[in-house]
Amino acid sequence: DIVMTQSPDSLAVSLGERATINCKSSQSIFYSSNNKNYLAWYQQKPGQPPKVLIYWASTRESGVPDRFSGSGSGTDFTLTISSLQAEDVAVYYCQQYYDTAPTFGQGTEVEIK
Amino acid sequence: QMQLVESGGGLVKPGGSLRLSCAASGFTFSDYYMSWIRQAPGKGPEWVSYISNSDSRTYYADSVKGRFTISRDNAKNSLYLQMNSLRAEDTAVYYCAACGGDPPYIWFDPWGQGTLVTVSS
Repeated sequence: DIVMTQSPDSLAVSLGERATINCKSSQSIFYSSNNKNYLAWYQQKPGQPPKVLIYWASTRESGVPDRFSGSGSGTDFTLTISSLQAEDVAVYYCQQYYDTAPTFGQGTEVEIK
Repeated sequence: QMQLVESGGGLVKPGGSLRLSCAASGFTFSDYYMSWIRQAPGKGPEWVSYISNSDSRTYYADSVKGRFTISRDNAKNSLYLQMNSLRAEDTAVYYCAACGGDPPYIWFDPWGQGTLVTVSS
């Protein structure tokens, strides 16, 4: 299975500041045949199921604020929240779908400093 | 609006069985691959199984292969997970989710609210 490793495990950011979460896959999750990275990002707030924010590494889901952006390719990816809002307090997960056994990262908890 | 509602969770003894159900509404169920994902307390999500939309091809995580069976009834807009030979490590909230992406290479959207399965003597 492809192992997804996120860093850091938690971070505290001031309101209005940038938050950056990293995700590394144990092998490349880029398909050269279609030029796509098979990576999604999720947000999970307390007591709620995860919600997809980004797929194909950088495509925002409809309705997701544009302060959320995804970048990276191959094995290294980043989720950036450009200006942290109070409602962004949550745990964030990356997930690869490069093979038929999808796997998630361990999660990064984002809180307000 | 796509909606998924799970049911069937509860407390079961090790070695026991349980059947989870997921009722779908607000979308054409038969157009979507569907999946079960679980999340143990304080842990990240773990994909369990998914099933294709029309020919019911199935995929399982190694941790549940041979013990769990996923199925669907497109006429009833319903997804199921039969869980046998349950172990303590199967304790988790079980979520039903529709699958996006390029099946069988999928992400999960949306998710239901989940149903708690507790395996304990």
